Amino acid sequence: DGGITQSPKYLFRKEGQNVTLSCEQNLNHDAMYWYRQDPGQGLRLIYYSQIVNDFQKGDIAEGYSVSREKKESFPLTVTSAQKNPTAFYLCASTERAYRVAEAFFGQGTRLTVV
Amino acid sequence: QQQVKQSPQSLIVQKGGISIINCAYENTAFDYFPWYQQFPGKGPALLIAIRPDVSEKKEGRFTISFNKSAKQFSLHIMDSQPGDSATYFCAASLTGTASKLTFGTGTRLQVTL
Repeated sequence: DGGITQSPKYLFRKEGQNVTLSCEQNLNHDAMYWYRQDPGQGLRLIYYSQIVNDFQKGDIAEGYSVSREKKESFPLTVTSAQKNPTAFYLCASTERAYRVAEAFFGQGTRLTVV
Repeated sequence: QQQVKQSPQSLIVQKGGISIINCAYENTAFDYFPWYQQFPGKGPALLIAIRPDVSEKKEGRFTISFNKSAKQFSLHIMDSQPGDSATYFCAASLTGTASKLTFGTGTRLQVTL
């Protein structure tokens, strides 16, 4: 079955650590996105990538980094510079960058700072 | 700056009732308005969407009403069922650009027996 796989489902991070969240899609979609979800704030865009080896900052990119070395993979690194990383992180993809509304989402990774 | 405002934050409806969730947007350039449904611990899934040249779109028990002059759109869930209990997000986007979805803050719907 085609879809988006995020791993791990739960992740715990110590203060000062960098952690990487995985996102893999087998939908052959061109564009991929990372969103952060906090209670009462909806989904906010962290980074997005329209094609391999290219990505752009979203609304809240500070403290995060991404790479897009392969079409099917778009990992997100939460760095120690992110002051409040505890949140639910969602990866999404769309067939083409301009068809952003028809997004498919993964099941999410819940990151907790301990 | 929040470009899409959603209300109410939470909603309790009896089984068989009508659930109504409202959204208002500021950017008149938005040209696509989807609604997403999210169950706890899961990613959002596209439910229904509308473009501003249409005032209403219906898919089964779900209807979007769109008022371009008021810059508002709403989701109506007819004959609400306990299985509809979820968080609903409205969103807006600009198609044809290197763009993104702007989401509302979400409405947690609970349908009681």
